[in-house]
Amino acid sequence: AQRVTQPEKLLSVFKGAPVELKCNYSYSGSPELFWYVQYSRQRLQLLLRHISRESIKGFTADLNKGETSFHLKKPFAQEEDSAMYYCALSGSRDDKIIFGKGTRLHILP
Amino acid sequence: EPEVTQTPSHQVTQMGQEVILRCVPISNHLYFYWYRQILGQKVEFLVSFYNNEISEKSEIFDDQFSVERPDGSNFTLKIRSTKLEDSAMYFCASSVLVNYGYTFGSGTRLTVV
Repeated sequence: AQRVTQPEKLLSVFKGAPVELKCNYSYSGSPELFWYVQYSRQRLQLLLRHISRESIKGFTADLNKGETSFHLKKPFAQEEDSAMYYCALSGSRDDKIIFGKGTRLHILP
Repeated sequence: EPEVTQTPSHQVTQMGQEVILRCVPISNHLYFYWYRQILGQKVEFLVSFYNNEISEKSEIFDDQFSVERPDGSNFTLKIRSTKLEDSAMYFCASSVLVNYGYTFGSGTRLTVV
């Protein structure tokens, strides 16, 4: 069964400190992995996709197939990074994306 | 940058009433979706729509729900007889390619009283 697990409901990090938001997945094929972000009172926005291997707003995520993880990282947190972050998965056979429960990132000044 | 537009932003309805949630996807997108998020819970898939028909639906999407693309631009979600547990934020999304990642609308907050 497809599943996305984000073990942390809330993560508080001081400004300037490194950030790592954990995501593990369960899927029997080769999934597409995504990170979405939702700033306060705004819509869900695509932050990055693993297939594009890009860095957006200083965030990166590496797909580790052995550990079935897709953790989101940023070396130096900024206050504007405070938001809800959702890890998401899409199977190669399906066209729907399923989401984890989300992690609220709170950057402390 | 193109956006997915949803109306209304907030709808309050009485239990048992029909509601229609409206979405205007990005014009060159081919795949359309509805998701919902009950307060404090995860974003849940409801239905996907491609080539004028439903391509997949979840177990949440029962006979009370229907989707339509009546005029080539709007994409609507209808709930025939709302229940209290239908209260949630409903998000429309569209995508140009399968697995490309979606563009979401800003959501409609549905409150059933």
